[in-house]
Amino acid sequence: GDSVTQMEGPVTLSEEAFLTINCTYTATGYPSLFWYVQYPGEGLQLLLKATKADDKGSNKGFEATYRKETTSFHLEKGSVQVSDSAVYFCALSGGGSTLGRLYFGRGTQLTVWP
Amino acid sequence: GAVVSQHPSWVICKSGTSVKIECRSLDFQATTMFWYRQFPKQSLMLMATSNEGSKATYEQGVEKDKFLINHASLTLSTLTVTSAHPEDSSFYICSAEGQGGTNEQFFGPGTRLTVL
Repeated sequence: GDSVTQMEGPVTLSEEAFLTINCTYTATGYPSLFWYVQYPGEGLQLLLKATKADDKGSNKGFEATYRKETTSFHLEKGSVQVSDSAVYFCALSGGGSTLGRLYFGRGTQLTVWP
Repeated sequence: GAVVSQHPSWVICKSGTSVKIECRSLDFQATTMFWYRQFPKQSLMLMATSNEGSKATYEQGVEKDKFLINHASLTLSTLTVTSAHPEDSSFYICSAEGQGGTNEQFFGPGTRLTVL
């Protein structure tokens, strides 16, 4: 079945460091891929998404490219800020009968120190 | 826009009692809402899909008599954990599907349930 494997945390970085959070997936067909972010005390928010191979999603300096050949959707940011401290979830949504259903990775806690 | 609230944000109850959790879409109508459960350091696991005016669709392994879901209006879905036991202690999160064909889900902040 469809599933997402996400790099385990926690990840601790200094401000302005480069961030990569790895995410790989298993899916039948052609899923859409997402990164969600959860700030302390808040609900999950969509950070970015990509709906087909080679698409790049980007938002707030974060980027992720849908790589079908490696079944990956790694999250990157060139220079993190303290305000980026949060939990990041990779997710996929399959098509067909499972349209709309999200499969989540375990989440990666990111802490950025000033 | 697209705000989803949950109430309560946390609840502690005795074993054997029932607990109701509300999920509301505050500024949009949601035909479909989803209920997830999250264990510490685990991913969100979909429990059920709730459609307004019809019975919820439960995922395999989720007891429908244990976790009662009601989606009585386009802005409200409720999850009732019946005869709660300590193993039901968890973080419950709802989401509401937006309109306009985007299928984007908007998430509530979650409810922490602790059963003593």
